[in-house]
Amino acid sequence: GIQVEQSPPDLILQEGANSTLRCNFSDSVNNLQWFHQNPWGQLINLFYIPSGTKQNGRLSATTVATERYSLLYISSSQTTDSGVYFCAVDSGNNRLAFGKGNQVVVIP
Amino acid sequence: GAVVSQHPSRVICKSGTSVKIECRSLDFQATTMFWYRQFPKQSLMLMATSNEGSKATYEQGVEKDKFLINHASLTLSTLTVTSAHPEDSSFYICSAKQGPDTQYFGPGTRLTVL
Repeated sequence: GIQVEQSPPDLILQEGANSTLRCNFSDSVNNLQWFHQNPWGQLINLFYIPSGTKQNGRLSATTVATERYSLLYISSSQTTDSGVYFCAVDSGNNRLAFGKGNQVVVIP
Repeated sequence: GAVVSQHPSRVICKSGTSVKIECRSLDFQATTMFWYRQFPKQSLMLMATSNEGSKATYEQGVEKDKFLINHASLTLSTLTVTSAHPEDSSFYICSAKQGPDTQYFGPGTRLTVL
């Protein structure tokens, strides 16, 4: 099946700093989503982005489908941004494959 | 919009008992729902795909007689963990598909089997 790799696995940020999370995938995809899992376990949809660039407030994402990677940008980080960020892809079999996540800790 | 709920949020049961978890799409109809399992500090692993009105499709290695899935309506899927044992303790998360692509996730159910 499709492989999904996320980097860095762990990231500590000072509040106000910017960061970039990366998701590499091993095959072409027709669905890519970024999620934020909060400390209570809830997965929150951030972006549906199989290609192109989207922005939502302090977050933005870019997927370069031809090069099989996606980036999630967090600008002016806040403590509420802490948690695990997951990238998940669907290569066409209607099933999402998740990466191992980026554990982000934002310290005040 | 696109809200998915799960019930219960947390359950503790004795070994050998069965536990039912409900997943509901509150403001949309979902012909397809998914069940995932997540161990502490690990990623989500897809267990099965639940299709309304038909049998679920299980991932390799997932026992269908152990994890019974029923998708009786366009807004409800249930997962029953039968004869639960401590190794079944985990965080179970469901999702529902709105439209052709985007999946929305429930808040999860933390199962502890004593």
